[in-house]
Amino acid sequence: NAGVMQNPRHLVRRRGQEARLRCSPMKGHSHVYWYRQLPEEGLKFMVYLQKENIIDESGMPKERFSAEFPKEGPSILRIQQVVRGDSAAYFCASSPSSGTGGGNTEAFFGQGTRLTVV
Amino acid sequence: AQSVAQPEDQVNVAEGNPLTVKCTYSVSGNPYLFWYVQYPNRGLQFLLKYITGDNLVKGSYGFEAEFNKSQTSFHLKKPSALVSDSALYFCAVRDRSTGGFKTIFGAGTRLFVKA
Repeated sequence: NAGVMQNPRHLVRRRGQEARLRCSPMKGHSHVYWYRQLPEEGLKFMVYLQKENIIDESGMPKERFSAEFPKEGPSILRIQQVVRGDSAAYFCASSPSSGTGGGNTEAFFGQGTRLTVV
Repeated sequence: AQSVAQPEDQVNVAEGNPLTVKCTYSVSGNPYLFWYVQYPNRGLQFLLKYITGDNLVKGSYGFEAEFNKSQTSFHLKKPSALVSDSALYFCAVRDRSTGGFKTIFGAGTRLFVKA
């Protein structure tokens, strides 16, 4: 059973370009979370999604950032018109649905995508 | 709203000595509590969790944590530190009363173990 897969591992974008970060959750997991980690800082919650639904996006910047988790395929975190301040590590995590694990189940993390805006 | 505080940015300990990494939390209901470890340029690895029952939780690599409801704390401990334990440690909380899965992380504590 493969773990949470994120790609690319490293992404370099020029200011003003778009960044697309992909996350494939563990098999059987229907909950996906995105976190941002700035250099030398902790993880900041961005968004929590279930299949085809955004459950909690309270940590997402109001502009330029969007996330989706379609019925088929990976979850996508999209950053439009990137700026230097978007440079960070973006981590995806997944956990099982409430039917099998409930809220007491730990989340499993991917290796992260390190975005550098030049 | 749920929150987590890790009051120490850094903890230094000599190899073979016991270590403690502190964590306090705030939730409106009862918590699920987690500890994760992050090695350089890697994702987070799960160490242990408190769900219910025994307040002392044992986890991976010899780590354990004690849930203290009155002090709203969940400190991570290890009886004898190893140099290889040097890493960034994160405490995390979920509010079980909301029925949700949103996990809030502390800012992290960097552990240095000297040989």
